[in-house]
Amino acid sequence: AQSVTQLGSHVSVSEGALVLLRCNYSSSVPPYLFWYVQYPNQGLQLLLKYTTGATLVKGINGFEAEFKKSETSFHLTKPSAHMSDAAEYFCAAARSGANSKLTFGKGITLSVRP
Amino acid sequence: DTGVSQDPRHKITKRGQNVTFRCDPISEHNRLYWYRQTLGQGPEFLTYFQNEAQLEKSRLLSDRFSAERPKGSFSTLEIQRTEQGDSAMYLCASSRDKSSYEQYFGPGTRLTVT
Repeated sequence: AQSVTQLGSHVSVSEGALVLLRCNYSSSVPPYLFWYVQYPNQGLQLLLKYTTGATLVKGINGFEAEFKKSETSFHLTKPSAHMSDAAEYFCAAARSGANSKLTFGKGITLSVRP
Repeated sequence: DTGVSQDPRHKITKRGQNVTFRCDPISEHNRLYWYRQTLGQGPEFLTYFQNEAQLEKSRLLSDRFSAERPKGSFSTLEIQRTEQGDSAMYLCASSRDKSSYEQYFGPGTRLTVT
């Protein structure tokens, strides 16, 4: 069975500081990986995805993530946090060739201090 | 391009009542997914459709839950004899076809069972 782990429930950074949100997956076959962002009372918005090819993927709003098979990780980073980045972030995985249903981590709430 | 829409956005009901939610996917998308999200957790897969065919149901989907997508367009999710444990955000997502792993989410329906 596939699982996604996001350690910690809350990360707080200062505006302008580096954002690092961690995600590890557990799967016998490397899955397709995604990061979604959720603002209060809204649905999930896709930030970026890794399916095949380049392991460093760039997404919207200056975010990027690197797929590291040896570490079974897909951490999300942004060089400089902005106040508007405050939201909940979810890492998700889908098994390739299957029904593409997403398995989500528990999510991490990002706070940005002025 | 209108996104995924869900109706209603909020529903408060008394225990034992039946409720029905509607999801309208992006028009050219063949796949439609339902997820449930409880407080502090990531979304959990409930079921999905390829056109009008319901291809997989999670064990989370008890006999009180039923979903339909009668003409391969909009979908409904009905919960019969609601229980307090059904209180959650119900999210709908759609994707273009089985080769696309990008799922686009609606704003969700927040159900509160009193």
